[in-house]
Amino acid sequence: GAVVSQHPSRVICKSGTSVKIECRSLDFQATTMFWYRQFPKQSLMLMATSNEGSKATYEQGVEKDKFLINHASLTLSTLTVTSAHPEDSSFYICSARGLAGQETQYFGPGTRLLVL
Amino acid sequence: GQQLNQSPQSMFIQEGEDVSMNCTSSSIFNTWLWYKQDPGEGPVLLIALYKAGELTSNGRLTAQFGITRKDSFLNISASIPSDVGIYFCAGQLGGYKYIFGTGTRLKVLA
Repeated sequence: GAVVSQHPSRVICKSGTSVKIECRSLDFQATTMFWYRQFPKQSLMLMATSNEGSKATYEQGVEKDKFLINHASLTLSTLTVTSAHPEDSSFYICSARGLAGQETQYFGPGTRLLVL
Repeated sequence: GQQLNQSPQSMFIQEGEDVSMNCTSSSIFNTWLWYKQDPGEGPVLLIALYKAGELTSNGRLTAQFGITRKDSFLNISASIPSDVGIYFCAGQLGGYKYIFGTGTRLKVLA
């Protein structure tokens, strides 16, 4: 089946530093990858949609200069949280959609970010 | 952001009981999906529904895509302890974007 990995699985950083999270589709080529944020006991909220080779599309209220997304290849997308603050602490989950005809999104295991 | 209304919010049931949860929206969706999320992990797809009225099963799970395309339900028969977790519905919008439901937290008492 379609496997999506994320790295790191958890990260602790100091306030003001930047953190990069990787999302990889391991056994398929992902034309589109999605980044979600999930706060404790809440649902997944879509942050942005990224298509390989083009700029990401951000959801309303999500700062594109703070959450930098790069989708340089069909198997890798990265999310960089710049100048992280404690309120950015959350569970970040990516998903990937395959080539045309494959509508289902496959989710990664998530990355737990804690900003001190 | 937009969310789908999911009910119940949480439920405690005895092992062996059947479970039913549903998801409603004011918008029409072309695809409904049901996911299960265990603590500290990403969601795992349970069932995907592509046509209004469609009824699909996956083992002890059965889900239906509402005729109005604004709702869906998920049934779990003969629940077992490993069914514990959070169940999310999701509706697919244009551009393959998903809108997730608020989640149903299921606890199964042995």
